[in-house]
Amino acid sequence: TAGITQAPTSQILAAGRSMTLRCTQDMRHNAMYWYRQDLGLGLRLIHYSNTAGTTGKGEVPDGYSVSRANTDDFPLTLASAVPSQTSVYFCASSVLANHNEQFFGPGTRLTVL
Amino acid sequence: GQQVMQIPQYQHVQEGEDFTTYCNSSTTLSNIQWYKQRPGGHPVFLIQLVKSGEVKKQKRLTFQFGEAKKNSSLHITATQTTDVGTYFCADPSSGTYKYIFGTGTRLKVLA
Repeated sequence: TAGITQAPTSQILAAGRSMTLRCTQDMRHNAMYWYRQDLGLGLRLIHYSNTAGTTGKGEVPDGYSVSRANTDDFPLTLASAVPSQTSVYFCASSVLANHNEQFFGPGTRLTVL
Repeated sequence: GQQVMQIPQYQHVQEGEDFTTYCNSSTTLSNIQWYKQRPGGHPVFLIQLVKSGEVKKQKRLTFQFGEAKKNSSLHITATQTTDVGTYFCADPSSGTYKYIFGTGTRLKVLA
């Protein structure tokens, strides 16, 4: 079982460019999440989706958008990247929101120059 | 807003020594989760505590939930090099669909 996959593994992006980080899970989990991890700041929630067709804002949503057209996929889009968005991005999923363990993908390392 | 702080931020121990990390919330928690992230890896779920005063053990790891459900701790007995990584507590924030992770404690074990 693949679990959660993320693509790309890493990316260098010019400021002002757009980019979509991909996340796919094959566990039929209802809830999915996007986090960014910066040194010394831990994991911060960007956006979440408690079920297909719905999304919500997390702690740091500005500059990011998400969609949840189906259960398996939860792409994260940066419309116009800025250097402060340089980070490691983790996608995660759980059976249900709030009460279950989260399964994390391997992460995408993004550098915005 | 709610904050979840962990102390210490870093800890270096000699192999065989014990280690404890503490998680403190500014608000009462419905439950708390613990995750481990190896260097260069992704967070992996360890355990969830739900009841006030709950204590759970996993081999050399002991997890405790405070009586007031505002703090938690993870204690590792006789650390090994395989324990190296960052340990995070997390508040699933029941009812709001928003997970809040603690700041993490980075553990280094010296052989």
